[in-house]
Amino acid sequence: QVQLVQSGAEVKKPGASVKVSCKASGYIFNGYPLHWVRQAPGQSLEWMGWINPDKGTTKQSQNFQGRVTITLDRSASTTYMELSSLRSEDTAVYYCARDAQHFHFWSGSAFYDMDVWGQGTTVTVSS
Amino acid sequence: DIQMTQSPSFLSASVGDTVTITCRASQSITTYLNWYQQKPGRAPKLLIYGASSLQNGVPSRFSGSGSGTDFTLTISTLQLEDLATYFCQQSYTIPPITFGQGTRLEI
Repeated sequence: QVQLVQSGAEVKKPGASVKVSCKASGYIFNGYPLHWVRQAPGQSLEWMGWINPDKGTTKQSQNFQGRVTITLDRSASTTYMELSSLRSEDTAVYYCARDAQHFHFWSGSAFYDMDVWGQGTTVTVSS
Repeated sequence: DIQMTQSPSFLSASVGDTVTITCRASQSITTYLNWYQQKPGRAPKLLIYGASSLQNGVPSRFSGSGSGTDFTLTISTLQLEDLATYFCQQSYTIPPITFGQGTRLEI
């Protein structure tokens, strides 16, 4: 079945970096962009960026001031999200999610909706 | 960035009720609006995309409507399993994609 499996929980010190992996299975990896979304404890969802495995292109939220790097390994059907210069506010559950590839009937623009999600990776930043 | 504001933040209802959650965008997003359900300790689940299209496998008691700046998610004949937090998400102007703050539904 279609699934995304993420790497395990991480504990990091302030100033360090963390790299979370997301392995896809059950579908054609190149056919669907992948998003990264995080959720701080008790908070809403925050979009971090996405990668198009077919073209290798990425889009990132400027709210992270260039601290986010999204990469992929097509041979392993895996995408990675690295967040640098960690601070306590980065403590959150990090999710990868597959773009559903739904498009507006008239304009052809994507809805960027996310139909399959990983199980989440808890990242704790603490000294 | 486009701001998304949901109301109410908390909602209490009974089994069999019909409930409505509202999402308002800070500017027009036409129909680039998606809805998710998140149960405690779980990843979000896609319910509605394009403001009103039901995702495959989602029960028909969920429905979405609206365009421009005002949108609603309606859950009819509420079930115990609908206990969750619901989020709206806009994708009209990206980056960034932005989400509402969530509506917690208590049954």
